[in-house]
Amino acid sequence: AQSVTQLGSHVSVSEGALVLLRCNYSSSVPPYLFWYVQYPNQGLQLLLKYTTGATLVKGINGFEAEFKKSETSFHLTKPSAHMSDAAEYFCAVSGGFGNEKLTFGTGTRLTIIP
Amino acid sequence: DTGVSQDPRHKITKRGQNVTFRCDPISEHNRLYWYRQTLGQGPEFLTYFQNEAQLEKSRLLSDRFSAERPKGSFSTLEIQRTEQGDSAMYLCASEAGATYEQYFGPGTRLTVT
Repeated sequence: AQSVTQLGSHVSVSEGALVLLRCNYSSSVPPYLFWYVQYPNQGLQLLLKYTTGATLVKGINGFEAEFKKSETSFHLTKPSAHMSDAAEYFCAVSGGFGNEKLTFGTGTRLTIIP
Repeated sequence: DTGVSQDPRHKITKRGQNVTFRCDPISEHNRLYWYRQTLGQGPEFLTYFQNEAQLEKSRLLSDRFSAERPKGSFSTLEIQRTEQGDSAMYLCASEAGATYEQYFGPGTRLTVT
């Protein structure tokens, strides 16, 4: 069984400041981890994924995340927030091959302060 | 790629009525997933197809729900005898094999009155 916990349902940062969205996972098998972004009235868009290999993964729009097995974490970061980053962000986990369905966290709404 | 499309985008129905949603995946994506998202929650897995075969169904999918993917192309999700608790956003996603990149459609928002 797999689950993810996103700490902080709402996060506000100033434009130009560091964005840090937290995600911790639980998995009985090696996890595959994902971050998705959802803009209002739109579907989810994949930001980045970790499957195997390098633990620091880079995604679109300047986001990156680091898989830390010892901390069971997969936090999402961006060095400098833009107004266009305001959206809902979801962390998700799957069990890899043969267990590809995604289990999502409850989401974090990111607000950018001008 | 034209992206994943879903129809309708919005559906309002009275309790007890049947509704059917359609999902058209990205061309040649052999995997298709249905998820349900309620307000303030992340999407929850409902069911999954590989080509025309339905490989997994969540326990969330009661026998009032049925999904099909004839010929491995588009998929339909039918809810019979709708209840107010069925009000949610129904999301479809497609994937090209085991790429671990699911592409989501815009969703169908169902409101049961």
